[in-house]
Amino acid sequence: DAGVTQSPTHLIKTRGQQVTLRCSPKSGHDTVSWYQQALGQGPQFIFQYYEEEERQRGNFPDRFSGHQFPNYSSELNVNALLLGDSALYLCASSLSPPSAPSYEQYFGPGTRLTVT
Amino acid sequence: QKEVEQNSGPLSVPEGAIASLNCTYSDRGSQSFFWYRQYSGKSPELIMFIYSNGDKEDGRFTAQLNKASQYVSLLIRDSQPSDSATYLCAGDSGGYQKVTFGTGTKLQVIP
Repeated sequence: DAGVTQSPTHLIKTRGQQVTLRCSPKSGHDTVSWYQQALGQGPQFIFQYYEEEERQRGNFPDRFSGHQFPNYSSELNVNALLLGDSALYLCASSLSPPSAPSYEQYFGPGTRLTVT
Repeated sequence: QKEVEQNSGPLSVPEGAIASLNCTYSDRGSQSFFWYRQYSGKSPELIMFIYSNGDKEDGRFTAQLNKASQYVSLLIRDSQPSDSATYLCAGDSGGYQKVTFGTGTKLQVIP
């Protein structure tokens, strides 16, 4: 049973460039959430996709956008990169609707983005 | 701002002892809470989730939830050096699985 996969593993970009990160959810999962984790901090929720639509969004600017495909995989796009966007970007998958009120969310290995 | 707060540590315990990790949250609408373990350079790994007041045990781990006090804890019995990691507490921020994480507590188990 394949877990959550992400690509690429590492990425180096220059300020002002655009980047696309990819995620494939765990088999059987239909919901994908994206998080940004800066060094020494907990993951911060960026947004969540379900049924190919953005369902929830955290406090991130519109430079952060995403997409979910019919096979439940997802992309995170970041435009006009800033130095502060350097972080570990984590994708997490889960099954929705959850077995209320609890659910389990599984993380991928992450993509380390460095902006220079 | 709905927050989850943890002491950043490090929390040092001798091998074989009980490690107690604590977390408070501000959103009374949160229903489910999670403990993740994160080794340095790796992604978070779900250890336990809890949504009912009281204790939930799984092997060496016990999660405790007190909604009246807005308090969540994780006990690790018979701590091992391999338990040394950062432990992240998280709560759902109401509906649709939006999860808020604390900054994590670094645990060091001394052999």
